[in-house]
Amino acid sequence: EAGVTQFPSHSVIEKGQTVTLRCDPISGHDNLYWYRRVMGKEIKFLLHFVKESKQDESGMPNNRFLAERTGGTYSTLKVQPAELEDSGVYFCASSQPAGREQFFGPGTRLTVL
Amino acid sequence: GQSLEQPSEVTAVEGAIVQINCTYQTSGFYGLSWYQQHDGGAPTFLSYNALDGLEETGRFSSFLSRSDSYGYLLLQELQMKDSASYFCAPHTGGFKTIFGAGTRLFVKA
Repeated sequence: EAGVTQFPSHSVIEKGQTVTLRCDPISGHDNLYWYRRVMGKEIKFLLHFVKESKQDESGMPNNRFLAERTGGTYSTLKVQPAELEDSGVYFCASSQPAGREQFFGPGTRLTVL
Repeated sequence: GQSLEQPSEVTAVEGAIVQINCTYQTSGFYGLSWYQQHDGGAPTFLSYNALDGLEETGRFSSFLSRSDSYGYLLLQELQMKDSASYFCAPHTGGFKTIFGAGTRLFVKA
């Protein structure tokens, strides 16, 4: 069974540009989460989808970040416009409908210059 | 507010036993998960405690005391490959999970 996949693995962009990260969860996992870890700091929760609905987006830093999960399958996280402080590793995770175990993807390392 | 405390670093020798403590203060609490993350890798689930007591999974055990807002991860028969960061992650509501800065474990030969 394939795990959680994320694309791209690395992204280097300039301040002010737009970047879109993609996450494909494990098939059948209704719950999808986005997290990020900025340099030297903790992994921070961004938001949680149940199928296509945003269940909790309390961790989204500001309105430059937009997450979608059309059709309840894969999800995208768009950062527009990107700022220097957005640099970090963005992780996606998924879990079964009633599962507490979250399966993490390999992450996307975003560098904003 | 919410807070999470773990030691920043722990060092132990191969074959030894190490305990990583975690204290938390959250608004709402449903249970405590533990994750392992190797450098450059993704966090990997280790255990989840919803009730007080000890959960054992092979060489790893996790303990929870809800009344003390405290838990620990116990790693036995340490191996070099156990060198990684370990995160306690309380579930605060629904499926929201809080991660702290983690504990960096160094296993020496």
